[in-house]
Amino acid sequence: AQTVTQSQPEMSVQEAETVTLSCTYDTSESDYYLFWYKQPPSRQMILVIRQEAYKQQNATENRFSVNFQKAAKSFSLKISDSQLGDAAMYFCAYEGRRGGADGLTFGKGTHLIIQP
Amino acid sequence: KAGVTQTPRYLIKTRGQQVTLSCSPISGHRSVSWYQQTPGQGLQFLFEYFSETQRNKGNFPGRFSGRQFSNSRSEMNVSTLELGDSALYLCASSLAGGRTSERGYTFGSGTRLTVV
Repeated sequence: AQTVTQSQPEMSVQEAETVTLSCTYDTSESDYYLFWYKQPPSRQMILVIRQEAYKQQNATENRFSVNFQKAAKSFSLKISDSQLGDAAMYFCAYEGRRGGADGLTFGKGTHLIIQP
Repeated sequence: KAGVTQTPRYLIKTRGQQVTLSCSPISGHRSVSWYQQTPGQGLQFLFEYFSETQRNKGNFPGRFSGRQFSNSRSEMNVSTLELGDSALYLCASSLAGGRTSERGYTFGSGTRLTVV
């Protein structure tokens, strides 16, 4: 079974600075997807960024980028120029070969605090 | 384009009762997944429906069940409620239920169930 571990229950960063959230995972599959989801107080999970395991290039979405190290099974999220609206719970998630049929496996989450 | 709609938003039930939660996916999405979110266990996969068929179920007792209708709307039912069933129940939809598209899953805002 796959596992996803987020070792930082809470992170704090000053507005406009850069913060990195960590995620490690364990799997025996070679073809999978990894995600970072954001959950603000509104409760809706919002997709931040997605990485396909067979792509060596790290995914980037505006201020959000990942450092995907497949051999190390590490998938960290870097948020540049942090904004107050970035404050939320962030979840790392894994999708295996069977996709939706097996559901996503989530980490326990990191609570990101943005200090003005 | 309407998002994923979950009703009701909040629900309070008594131990031993049963409850039904509803999820309307994005138009055109045929796969609906359900997740339970609690502070202790985090996000856990309940089950996934595609074309009215349950394709997989997570590690939950038989008290948790669901169904999907021909219009892709889904309901989940919990019978003989226990205090430990208090949680946020999230629904997610995707186009075909296999490997997700670049947009990943689209989540609803959840139903907050409190069992007293």
